[in-house]
Amino acid sequence: QLQLQESGPGLVKPSETLSLTCTVSGGSISSSSYYWGWIRQPPGKGLEWIGSIYYSGSTYYNPSLKSRVTISVDTSKNQFSLKLSSVTAADTAVYYCARLLQWLVLGWFDPWGQGTLVTVSS
Amino acid sequence: EIVMTQSPATLSVSPGERATLSCRASQSVSSNLAWYQQKPGQAPRLLIYGASTRATGIPARFSGSGSGTEFTLTISSLQSEDFAVYYCQQYNNWRLTFGGGTKVEIK
Repeated sequence: QLQLQESGPGLVKPSETLSLTCTVSGGSISSSSYYWGWIRQPPGKGLEWIGSIYYSGSTYYNPSLKSRVTISVDTSKNQFSLKLSSVTAADTAVYYCARLLQWLVLGWFDPWGQGTLVTVSS
Repeated sequence: EIVMTQSPATLSVSPGERATLSCRASQSVSSNLAWYQQKPGQAPRLLIYGASTRATGIPARFSGSGSGTEFTLTISSLQSEDFAVYYCQQYNNWRLTFGGGTKVEIK
């Protein structure tokens, strides 16, 4: 059974870079039918797609975050990573990683990691 | 950007009753729509994709319908474990977007 697990600092200072890694187990990140993505959810609010990556390194980013986001993949470690620069308190959220089925371009998310809360505060 | 609008924001339903949740897209997304369930402190779980196809392991009391801009998630007979927040998501466009969610609470 495929599982995803987010890891990284739970506290980041304003103006610094948030860095998270998602480790995939129970399956290969190099599967041809899937993208891998990051989604976030501010406390008490809804879901926002951040971006997605294919094992080859091809990426799609949410235009509202594109200038600050970098998503990368390490197939040797079965991991993909998120970097979000110049963070502010508005970036405080639970960050999820998930697998996306490739449909048209991108598709639906299944399964999801358990999520990790990242707080931006000095 | 395709804006997804869910209604109502909160739905109060008694156990055993039917719940009907709506999701509207600002432009046609064909049948490229998914539904998720999220319980407090948990990650979202995929319920429906392709507007009407149940994901693996999802009970038959969950059904999805619609195409174009209007979609519905129906829970035929609410069980205690179904009280949660439900989100729709479109994938007709590479810029993936979610609705704001509908909270289904116990009446």
